[in-house]
Amino acid sequence: EVQLLESGGALVQPGGSLRLSCSGSGFTFSAYAMTWVRQAPGKDLEWISVISDSGSRIVYADSVTGRFTISRDNSNSTLFLQMDSLRAEDTGTYYCARSYGNDLYDNWGQGTLVTVSS
Amino acid sequence: EIQMTQSPSAMSASVGDRVTITCRASQDISTYLTWFQQKPGKAPERLIYGASNLQGGVPSRFSGSGSGTEFTLRISGLRPEDFATYYCLQHSNYPITFGGGTKVDIK
Repeated sequence: EVQLLESGGALVQPGGSLRLSCSGSGFTFSAYAMTWVRQAPGKDLEWISVISDSGSRIVYADSVTGRFTISRDNSNSTLFLQMDSLRAEDTGTYYCARSYGNDLYDNWGQGTLVTVSS
Repeated sequence: EIQMTQSPSAMSASVGDRVTITCRASQDISTYLTWFQQKPGKAPERLIYGASNLQGGVPSRFSGSGSGTEFTLRISGLRPEDFATYYCLQHSNYPITFGGGTKVDIK
């Protein structure tokens, strides 16, 4: 069974940092591109970033460029999101999802909650 | 950035109703269009990919159509478990963008 499990969400002050993780199991993690999507409370889904299967290609949304860094460790089937200079508007549930070519997001994690507040 | 405009943003419907949700892209995205269902407190679940391909395990009352800039999600015979929010997504170009969602609630 394919499983994605996010962790690392917490309450953090504005300007602070946080590192999210997404652990994959039940599939060949290194064969899939991985994506982070977030959702502010009561709001819509927002695509954040994608990293290719090998990690050689990375794309960010403008809203996080220069502040967030996506990375992966294929040997441990884990995806990361390093979030720096956090703002109140970064508050939300962060999901990871997998994709294979143009076959996007058939499996998602359960999400991890990030709250940026003083 | 490709804008995805969903309509309606919310609707009330009854069990058994036929429901149609539309998603319009600000430019041609071919069939790089996916539909998701999301229930409160849960992760989205994929319903339709490639504009019209039904995800395995999804009931056949769900169907998708369209190409280019206009797409439709239809639910034929709404069931109680279908009351949820539905999102479209385009992956023709980066940044990948979602529609604004359509909340389907009980009339």
